[in-house]
Amino acid sequence: GQNIDQPTEMTATEGAIVQINCTYQTSGFNGLFWYQQHAGEAPTFLSYNVLDGLEEKGRFSSFLSRSKGYSYLLLKELQMKDSASYLCAVRDGDSWGKLQFGAGTQVVVTP
Amino acid sequence: DARVTQTPRHKVTEMGQEVTMRCQPILGHNTVFWYRQTMMQGLELLAYFRNRAPLDDSGMPKDRFSAEMPDATLATLKIQPSEPRDSAVYFCASGLGATGANVLTFGAGSRLTVL
Repeated sequence: GQNIDQPTEMTATEGAIVQINCTYQTSGFNGLFWYQQHAGEAPTFLSYNVLDGLEEKGRFSSFLSRSKGYSYLLLKELQMKDSASYLCAVRDGDSWGKLQFGAGTQVVVTP
Repeated sequence: DARVTQTPRHKVTEMGQEVTMRCQPILGHNTVFWYRQTMMQGLELLAYFRNRAPLDDSGMPKDRFSAEMPDATLATLKIQPSEPRDSAVYFCASGLGATGANVLTFGAGSRLTVL
């Protein structure tokens, strides 16, 4: 089975940086994903890590340590539109494997 | 702009009625996932398919739920009979398996309310 943990909620100020941590315990591993979900909308893909290290994509970066079962999503230069739920998801097995999601971290950006 | 299409977007029904939700995956995608999302449970994996064959449906209540892919352009999720606890948003997602990340693209969801 899989166990994916992430904080329930985080609050930060516009322009600041927020780091969302995700820890996982899985029977197999074939990649860690971060999705963004605005209220009432579908999740949308943000980032993918399969090897250890940092992946940077504009204001968003994602880090993975497979030995520690740990990832984080870093959101820089926060904007009001970044207020959303951020979902950590882990794929087990191979690229056909199931993708299981954590409960999500609600990020609230304040003026 | 390729997208996953789900119907209906909203459904209100009475307990005991049959509900069928449909999903058209992105053309060429060969993996299809069904998820259910509630405030309490988050995104739960119900079932998923590879090249139309079911790979895992262990997350689905077998006595009332069934998932099928009659062809490559249609996936269905059926609930019979429906119960109030089935009220949730049901998402379908598709991806291209066996190549790299197999990033899933989600449909807009079907919001089900069972009275």
